Amino acid sequence: AAGVIQSPRHLIKEKRETATLKCYPIPRHDTVYWYQQGPGQDPQFLISFYEKMQSDKGSIPDRFSAQQFSDYHSELNMSSLELGDSALYFCASSQTSGRMREQYFGPGTRLTVT
Amino acid sequence: GNSVTQMEGPVTLSEEAFLTINCTYTATGYPSLFWYVQYPGEGLQLLLKATKADDKGSNKGFEATYRKETTSFHLEKGSVQVSDSAVYFCALSDQGGSEKLVFGKGTKLTVNP
Repeated sequence: AAGVIQSPRHLIKEKRETATLKCYPIPRHDTVYWYQQGPGQDPQFLISFYEKMQSDKGSIPDRFSAQQFSDYHSELNMSSLELGDSALYFCASSQTSGRMREQYFGPGTRLTVT
Repeated sequence: GNSVTQMEGPVTLSEEAFLTINCTYTATGYPSLFWYVQYPGEGLQLLLKATKADDKGSNKGFEATYRKETTSFHLEKGSVQVSDSAVYFCALSDQGGSEKLVFGKGTKLTVNP
């Protein structure tokens, strides 16, 4: 079965640089979520999109922005990177129809800021 | 706001031992409850879920029952294997809205042969 695809899997950037993370949801899934997991931490919700519109926002820094495109893939753009942005970034997707929207996670993008 | 509290561990067991990882939650309304597992270097995999009170989720020998009266969703397995070594996260999602997940801090389980 198709899964959530994230690219790149690993990314190394320097402070003050920018980074773009991509997420390709499972086909026919209409909702995308982004989570950030710091070292040894639990995943924290950043932002979500439903049918290409932002549906919820969590603890996402103003330096970050995200969008969902017409083909439902999503991109998380991160600017002025800081050392503290080093983390594993997960994308998850779900389908609105059905009794419960179960989220399926991608393998994550490991971002290292040096 | 909504929150999840789980036993942090780490937990170290011998193979075939009984496992319990406690999880309690605070939420408005009636959230859905989940256990996710994260193997070393990998992403999050849904282990089991429950959507309403008294529901029992089960998968791969793991079980958890949604207890509304105690606001708990404890994870249990009767006989753990070395391959169960991983980090386990309890999580809830709001019903309605975006249904974003709120996670507990995670419990690292190590099973020794």
